[in-house]
Amino acid sequence: DIVMTQSPDSLAVSLGERATINCKSSQSVLYRSKNKNHLAWYQQKPGQPPKLLFYWASTRESGVPDRFSGSGSGTDFTLTISSLQAEDVAVYYCQQYYSTPPTFGQGTKVEIK
Amino acid sequence: EVQLVESGGGLVQPGGSLRLSCAASGFTFSSYSMNWVRQAPGKGLDWVSYISSGSSTIYYADSVKGRFTISRDNAKNSLYLQMISLRAEDTAVYYCARDPVVATNPYYFDSWGQGTLVTVSS
Repeated sequence: DIVMTQSPDSLAVSLGERATINCKSSQSVLYRSKNKNHLAWYQQKPGQPPKLLFYWASTRESGVPDRFSGSGSGTDFTLTISSLQAEDVAVYYCQQYYSTPPTFGQGTKVEIK
Repeated sequence: EVQLVESGGGLVQPGGSLRLSCAASGFTFSSYSMNWVRQAPGKGLDWVSYISSGSSTIYYADSVKGRFTISRDNAKNSLYLQMISLRAEDTAVYYCARDPVVATNPYYFDSWGQGTLVTVSS
């Protein structure tokens, strides 16, 4: 199974500041023939189900604010919140779908400093 | 609006059985692959099982293989998870999740239900 490792486990950022979450896969999730990274990002607020933010590593799901961005390729990926808002407090997960079983990172908790 | 509503969770003794259901609405259920994903209390997300749109392809996590059975009824717009030989470590919120990619293996999950809590305890 592909192991997904996120860093940090938690971070506290001031309102309006940048938050950066990293995700590393134990093997490449880049499907070379399609030139697509099989990597998704989710946001989970307390008491709610996860919400899809990005797929194919950087394709923003409809309705996701553009202060969120996804980047990276191969084994290293980043979720960036350019200007943290109060409503962004949540746990963020990356997930690979390059191979079955799909696997998630352990999650990164984002809080307000 | 896409809606997924899980039901069937509850308290069950170790070794017991439970059947979860997920009622889908707001989209053409028969066109989409579906998944079950679980989350133990205070823990991360853990994929459980996948079923293709026509039920021809099914996958399970190793941790549930032989104990859980996924199925669907496209006429009833419903997804199911039959769970037997339940263990304490199966305690979790179980989410049904839609897979938007037309394929025969799980991709990512664009819609999730609110989840149903399964507690395995004596």
